[in-house]
Amino acid sequence: RKEVEQDPGPFNVPEGATVAFNCTYSNSASQSFFWYRQDCRKEPKLLMSVYSSGNEDGRFTAQLNRASQYISLLIRDSKLSDSATYLCVVIPNAGGTSYGKLTFGQGTILTVHP
Amino acid sequence: NAGVTQTPKFQVLKTGQSMTLQCAQDMNHNSMYWYRQDPGMGLRLIYYSASEGTTDKGEVPNGYNVSRLNKREFSLRLESAAPSQTSVYFCASSESGSYQPQHFGDGTRLSIL
Repeated sequence: RKEVEQDPGPFNVPEGATVAFNCTYSNSASQSFFWYRQDCRKEPKLLMSVYSSGNEDGRFTAQLNRASQYISLLIRDSKLSDSATYLCVVIPNAGGTSYGKLTFGQGTILTVHP
Repeated sequence: NAGVTQTPKFQVLKTGQSMTLQCAQDMNHNSMYWYRQDPGMGLRLIYYSASEGTTDKGEVPNGYNVSRLNKREFSLRLESAAPSQTSVYFCASSESGSYQPQHFGDGTRLSIL
């Protein structure tokens, strides 16, 4: 089983739609979780951190379910500019040999069309 | 705001040639990282430096060396390039602590013929 798994998509949605992505992780001791966004041929950029209580940033909502070991990202009122690859990122352990090591999912491709 | 700067942005090498990828950050971050990204493989960690003066291997270190020149700069060297090292290379940095998000440079596209 991969450490971090995502549905690769692609997800094709119309403008204004609500879309959700899930990501599962295998290491129950994982401590930190993030969603990154990567545009075609660009660098990954931090979209948002994921907190235990869930968090929201404008149209974006992130949730963490430790019992089931998954995180989710919900995008409401999709815009054309939301088209990108969304990367689920996990820091597997607390310090030690996993210090700061981000483990990336393969990414989920989202295309928002007019 | 420069953030993380990588040079060069593109490079073509012949098998067996050597080169150094440069990375500098101006955010006063302690930790720096080198990744490679290949189609279907996602991002994989090559080497990292938790703080100035330390470096450690990541997931795919073979064929690479690194130098943490000072707090700002972290270079990646290919001593004898191989076609399997054709990839997009990203440098990243983060604040102290192992749970901080990382900020990425815009990448170096490297082709080895």
